[in-house]
Amino acid sequence: GAGVSQSPRYKVAKRGQDVALRCDPISGHVSLFWYQQALGQGPEFLTYFQNEAQLDKSGLPSDRFFAERPEGSVSTLKIQRTQQEDSAVYLCASSLEGQGVVQPQHFGDGTRLSIL
Amino acid sequence: GQQLNQSPQSMFIQEGEDVSMNCTSSSIFNTWLWYKQDPGEGPVLLIALYKAGELTSNGRLTAQFGITRKDSFLNISASIPSDVGIYFCAGRSFNKFYFGSGTKLNVKP
Repeated sequence: GAGVSQSPRYKVAKRGQDVALRCDPISGHVSLFWYQQALGQGPEFLTYFQNEAQLDKSGLPSDRFFAERPEGSVSTLKIQRTQQEDSAVYLCASSLEGQGVVQPQHFGDGTRLSIL
Repeated sequence: GQQLNQSPQSMFIQEGEDVSMNCTSSSIFNTWLWYKQDPGEGPVLLIALYKAGELTSNGRLTAQFGITRKDSFLNISASIPSDVGIYFCAGRSFNKFYFGSGTKLNVKP
């Protein structure tokens, strides 16, 4: 596809359930980012991949959050034992950037997660 | 973490007016970006700035990367109804991008 694709668009889960959010980046994009966007706020960095390597996960709020990108393309963000404060829009972005090359990010439309 | 102060928080303007919004940070960034986000969609890149002092235009939009590398502004000239949305600045430091809290723009026809 032409852009970053995220699925599902909406996810409702009960507190305590595990959820998995998927991101299909633009083909050929080396870098992939996950962000959490609370209502009325700007996106907040969660984690960054360069190909399959997770180079920065300093933004993950707790050890309940886990992200992977095993083949350097599709990425999954998993949240275990969800809590109400996990409710937010989760955005994925990708860019061509490799080491030393600065490229802007292209965002998907996000997954809106609601924890009941 | 790093904080970007974006102002104003919201604006109500008449169609045809010019708009200005800005972003400041206590930290230096080596890239500044401006995004627009419509409801239910992801942010869309408007302008990217890579050098201190750089002034870049994209149609009716003009943005500048401040000389101190700690600030940036975005101007929109002759606003139209489809300019309505939330505008975010973002600063890049190494592999991380930090976003402001947004400026909500309302345009009255």
